Amino acid sequence: AQKVTQAQTEISVVEKEDVTLDCVYETRDTTYYLFWYKQPPSGELVFLIRRNSFDEQNEISGRYSWNFQKSTSSFNFTITASQVVDSAVYFCALEPGTYKYIFGTGTRLKVLA
Amino acid sequence: SAVISQKPSRDICQRGTSLTIQCQVDSQVTMMFWYRQQPGQSLTLIATANQGSEATYESGFVIDKFPISRPNLTFSTLTVSNMSPEDSSIYLCSVEGGRTDTQYFGPGTRLTVL
Repeated sequence: AQKVTQAQTEISVVEKEDVTLDCVYETRDTTYYLFWYKQPPSGELVFLIRRNSFDEQNEISGRYSWNFQKSTSSFNFTITASQVVDSAVYFCALEPGTYKYIFGTGTRLKVLA
Repeated sequence: SAVISQKPSRDICQRGTSLTIQCQVDSQVTMMFWYRQQPGQSLTLIATANQGSEATYESGFVIDKFPISRPNLTFSTLTVSNMSPEDSSIYLCSVEGGRTDTQYFGPGTRLTVL
């Protein structure tokens, strides 16, 4: 089975706190891609990062960082020093080599001022 | 990344009517996708639309309900036919961006069916 699980339905943090959004995936394919998207209240889906299954290097982009661990089938996303503008729903997605994305159910992040 | 626009951005429709949603891309793309996002839910792929061929529908979605056109490499339409309140959703189109295997999404169409 191919599946993406985002167990955290909603997270609330106070501005400047760090927050980690969890993503666990299942696939039998050896070649696959993982993605994170942000959906602010306006509704559009904003691409954040793409990672292929052969690249386990962690990545940092400004206040965002991603931790990919094949051993635990996880691709977690950390926001450092969160800001109110980070408030959104965040989706993790899996593409198991078929161009079709499998989305998780999303995590709603609320950053309080 | 491609710039994608959708029309309309939102609409309120009566039960039993149909609505056609347009998706325009600023560059030629091979693969376009249509998704549905029901209130508070994740995204579900409706169909894949390739230029010059019939759309490929996912399980649970049929052409009679969601006819799709793809007349060229920059444009596609999705029609939601014979609407019911259960069709109230955000409908998003996406395109696969070149060599990156990354899908980029349009701003979405918020549909409310009364």
